[in-house]
Amino acid sequence: GQNIDQPTEMTATEGAIVQINCTYQTSGFNGLFWYQQHAGEAPTFLSYNVLDGLEEKGRFSSFLSRSKGYSYLLLKELQMKDSASYLCAALDSNYQLIWGAGTKLIIKP
Amino acid sequence: GAVVSQHPSWVICKSGTSVKIECRSLDFQATTMFWYRQFPKQSLMLMATSNEGSKATYEQGVEKDKFLINHASLTLSTLTVTSAHPEDSSFYICSARGEAGGDTGELFFGEGSRLTVL
Repeated sequence: GQNIDQPTEMTATEGAIVQINCTYQTSGFNGLFWYQQHAGEAPTFLSYNVLDGLEEKGRFSSFLSRSKGYSYLLLKELQMKDSASYLCAALDSNYQLIWGAGTKLIIKP
Repeated sequence: GAVVSQHPSWVICKSGTSVKIECRSLDFQATTMFWYRQFPKQSLMLMATSNEGSKATYEQGVEKDKFLINHASLTLSTLTVTSAHPEDSSFYICSARGEAGGDTGELFFGEGSRLTVL
């Protein structure tokens, strides 16, 4: 079956760095997405990786290893507004998004 | 970037009535639209996939006669919750993929519609 695993909840301190991991098993693979979702709002796109390696976008970076079925989202210089759920989703061979349950990130002052 | 507009944002209705939610792609043609439902503290769950001009494909466990999806044009898809009941209260989100997503398959999300059935 298809499966996405990511931690349920993480806590970090303002100004610090946090890494949210995601492992996936899908029927075929056409890339991996990270989305941010604040409570009561729709998800917003953060990153898309289809090739191995690290993609950096400002304070956020995303890494993919296709051979290991593994990705992580790295958030630097954490701000209070980064408190949200972070959703990992893999695109399978039918271009369907397979979603993880999300990681709730709590930022403390 | 590409914009998807979803309407209404909030809707409260009485049990037994029907509610229609619209999803529009404002600056691109959406060949495929997805409808999701999210219950509190749970992940998004795909309900159905609709391609313009054809019948929607529903996920297992989703009643196609209860959740009517129409994708009549390349910029508009609608979800109608028929004979809504309190257990249908949820956050409904649409997303669209089309030429704006290119080959990446990137999805663009609507703002979501929160349905409360009394």
